[in-house]
Amino acid sequence: DAKTTQPNSMESNEEEPVHLPCNHSTISGTDYIHWYRQLPSQGPEYVIHGLTSNVNNRMASLAIAEDRKSSTLILHRATLRDAAVYYCILRDGSYNTDKLIFGTGTRLQVFP
Amino acid sequence: DADVTQTPRNRITKTGKRIMLECSQTKGHDRMYWYRQDPGLGLRLIYYSFDVKDINKGEISDGYSVSRQAQAKFSLSLESAIPNQTALYFCATSDYYSSGGPDTQYFGPGTRLTVL
Repeated sequence: DAKTTQPNSMESNEEEPVHLPCNHSTISGTDYIHWYRQLPSQGPEYVIHGLTSNVNNRMASLAIAEDRKSSTLILHRATLRDAAVYYCILRDGSYNTDKLIFGTGTRLQVFP
Repeated sequence: DADVTQTPRNRITKTGKRIMLECSQTKGHDRMYWYRQDPGLGLRLIYYSFDVKDINKGEISDGYSVSRQAQAKFSLSLESAIPNQTALYFCATSDYYSSGGPDTQYFGPGTRLTVL
């Protein structure tokens, strides 16, 4: 399974933008780039995903490099509630092998 | 009501005991998953099931077994619990779009298991 590399931790101030990087140099053509986050004492929750093009939703934006070997999750204005562990995951989009393989993620701290 | 529920939420047991963790979902998804999470680490996949008749081993299936009783129910069993199975266990569900591509996974609140 393809792996991802993320910084262990990052810090931000409230209401500032946050750019969370992820390297995935061994990505294959059928791998989707998924981001999940885990708030304290909760199960992971979906944030965003993409295949080749940049994506936006109400929670965040996902910027994908042209060669797909890296991506960046962008939180446009961090809030205290965004403090969580963020996981970048390569998800095989094939029907028979669909599963998520988690890494250790990036712990985001947000300061008032 | 939560879409994915897990019971129990907390459990303390002794080495050698058999224990079952249960997961139920009301999302109507075919696919269900069991993960464990150790402190400071990400989630690791134990077993997954794409439908009632389909069971697959994940990264760390040794010492665990599963049962898919119905589309909505997926149970994880520890036949003889040992201390290094102390962890946080998560169940998740997902679907697959008929148009192609996986849906997101929806996670339960977790079960904290302690094996003494």
